Amino acid sequence: DTEVTQTPKHLVMGMTNKKSLKCEQHMGHRAMYWYKQKAKKPPELMFVYSYEKLSINESVPSRFSPECPNSSLLNLHLHALQPEDSALYLCASSPNSHTGELFFGEGSRLTVL
Amino acid sequence: QKEVEQNSGPLSVPEGAIASLNCTYSDRGSQSFFWYRQYSGKSPELIMFIYSNGDKEDGRFTAQLNKASQYVSLLIRDSQPSDSATYLCAVMDSGTYKYIFGTGTRLKVLA
Repeated sequence: DTEVTQTPKHLVMGMTNKKSLKCEQHMGHRAMYWYKQKAKKPPELMFVYSYEKLSINESVPSRFSPECPNSSLLNLHLHALQPEDSALYLCASSPNSHTGELFFGEGSRLTVL
Repeated sequence: QKEVEQNSGPLSVPEGAIASLNCTYSDRGSQSFFWYRQYSGKSPELIMFIYSNGDKEDGRFTAQLNKASQYVSLLIRDSQPSDSATYLCAVMDSGTYKYIFGTGTRLKVLA
């Protein structure tokens, strides 16, 4: 079983909705990540938090807003999304942002209508 | 732009055979290399990591790293139908510390 937990597993939302994806890890990792994955493509990095501070933003549109309330939690707030934002959103963690293995959660499957 | 390249496949092997998956990378300074298995509709699962030149074995899996040739491979011995999945190679960028993923190789193990 993965030690990175994501909720919800599935989310359907309209283009005017506001929703959030949540991620939690209890491995003591200090780096947490959001990735987006489309079918038959590799994961695409969106954001990296290191020691609870945003360290990398891969020029993601502002309709995606990350938040790291503490070292174990990571949220992704969604607002005014487009149908092309439909994808599998993966949370991951690693011991720190400079070394170590990356562990993924099970993902949140997002459909934007 | 640093790159990680994999043959997209599908690579088809009979049950019980050795599956050999290959990956090349462009960042000569990279020090950390990872193999992930991803079943259709699921998230990537870490199966091997390797940091030093040579071979690293874990059960039926062996990772091989050759930094001089910028090449990393994954061997799966006694392949089983349950090994059928997409295998993603990932390399940590030595400058940005981002994990760079290859496009994945789809493996099909035929019963």
